Amino acid sequence: GESVGLHLPTLSVQEGDNSIINCAYSNSASDYFIWYKQESGKGPQFIIDIRSNMDKRQGQRVTVLLNKTVKHLSLQIAATQPGDSAVYFCADGGNAGNMLTFGGGTRLMVKP
Amino acid sequence: KAGVTQTPRYLIKTRGQQVTLSCSPISGHRSVSWYQQTPGQGLQFLFEYFSETQRNKGNFPGRFSGRQFSNSRSEMNVSTLELGDSALYLCASSTDRGGTEAFFGQGTRLTVV
Repeated sequence: GESVGLHLPTLSVQEGDNSIINCAYSNSASDYFIWYKQESGKGPQFIIDIRSNMDKRQGQRVTVLLNKTVKHLSLQIAATQPGDSAVYFCADGGNAGNMLTFGGGTRLMVKP
Repeated sequence: KAGVTQTPRYLIKTRGQQVTLSCSPISGHRSVSWYQQTPGQGLQFLFEYFSETQRNKGNFPGRFSGRQFSNSRSEMNVSTLELGDSALYLCASSTDRGGTEAFFGQGTRLTVV
């Protein structure tokens, strides 16, 4: 079946540095992607989304890049802060309904 | 605006029992999806309900079922519980059409002993 995968299970960065979390997807028909942040004991929190007619979208301190040619997605966090420490998931929204296929997650650890 | 509310937050059940979990979506959202999260399998889609009808279904056995009420609140039921059903069950709320932001609740932590 379709799957979404992450390249790195754990990413450790220094406070103030930029973080880049990568994700590969396999469903070439997917037209919607979301990044979520999950802190311990909480549900996933929506960060940013992007549709397949875009290749870049920016939010507050976050940027999502989409490369449809190689089916790759990345989340960039600028000036990473201790509060950014969490597990980050990319999700493939497919192209019908609200069924999300999640990647395995990347744990981001921010060193003070 | 209130977020997605899931009850209860924690549950302990015995193998063989059945359990019902509840989810109240964000006001105005008519789509409710359910996910199972485990350390081994990650986040997996169970099913989605929209306007009281199941619109999508994941690859889970028939012991997992759900329903949605006219006020968009949803329940999921797991019958004949197995130890492997221990997981965090998450509910997500979305607007009508697909391909829109999905907002998650805090989840229900189910432990089967």
